Amino acid sequence: RKEVEQDPGPFNVPEGATVAFNCTYSNSASQSFFWYRQDCRKEPKLLMSVYSSGNEDGRFTAQLNRASQYISLLIRDSKLSDSATYLCVVSQTGASGGSYIPTFGRGTSLIVHP
Amino acid sequence: DTEVTQTPKHLVMGMTNKKSLKCEQHMGHRAMYWYKQKAKKPPELMFVYSYEKLSINESVPSRFSPECPNSSLLNLHLHALQPEDSALYLCASSQERRVGANEKLFFGSGTQLSVL
Repeated sequence: RKEVEQDPGPFNVPEGATVAFNCTYSNSASQSFFWYRQDCRKEPKLLMSVYSSGNEDGRFTAQLNRASQYISLLIRDSKLSDSATYLCVVSQTGASGGSYIPTFGRGTSLIVHP
Repeated sequence: DTEVTQTPKHLVMGMTNKKSLKCEQHMGHRAMYWYKQKAKKPPELMFVYSYEKLSINESVPSRFSPECPNSSLLNLHLHALQPEDSALYLCASSQERRVGANEKLFFGSGTQLSVL
């Protein structure tokens, strides 16, 4: 099983800024892609699924590039409450093909300051 | 609020103790997971149960013993742990596990375990 790579940051941005995170994966057989958000000492929470066609949820836009094997997350008009660690998750099938394994990247830390 | 409930929230145990972590979900999910997370590291998969059967064991030491009594419950039995096992233990569930399915994980708030 291959790795999922993320720049750990931290990304330190002012309120209102636009910030983008990338995540690369090495297993071309990967099936599903997600972004999760994790606050300090809390559990990860699903932010959004990621599709090749791209998807948007308010200020958040996620994109999948299968050819280059990376996913991205764009946050527009950053808020103080966006400060957290953003984890990409890539699910890839095991050797038997009958099950998949959700694999986390190490996470990218975002700090939004006033 | 999470719909996956984990107990206890905090646990301190000695290396000779036996304890259990519990996880419960009532979303009708058929897949349940145990993850281990160290500070500033991503969650690492330990075990996966699919339809109440163990489907993945990520070479976890035998001092960790999972159990799935029914589709809503998942336990992790702990025995003779080491200090390096101290971590946040997260339970998660997903609707069902099929190849290509867009599985979303729902996490409990975790058990912060300290082994002395």
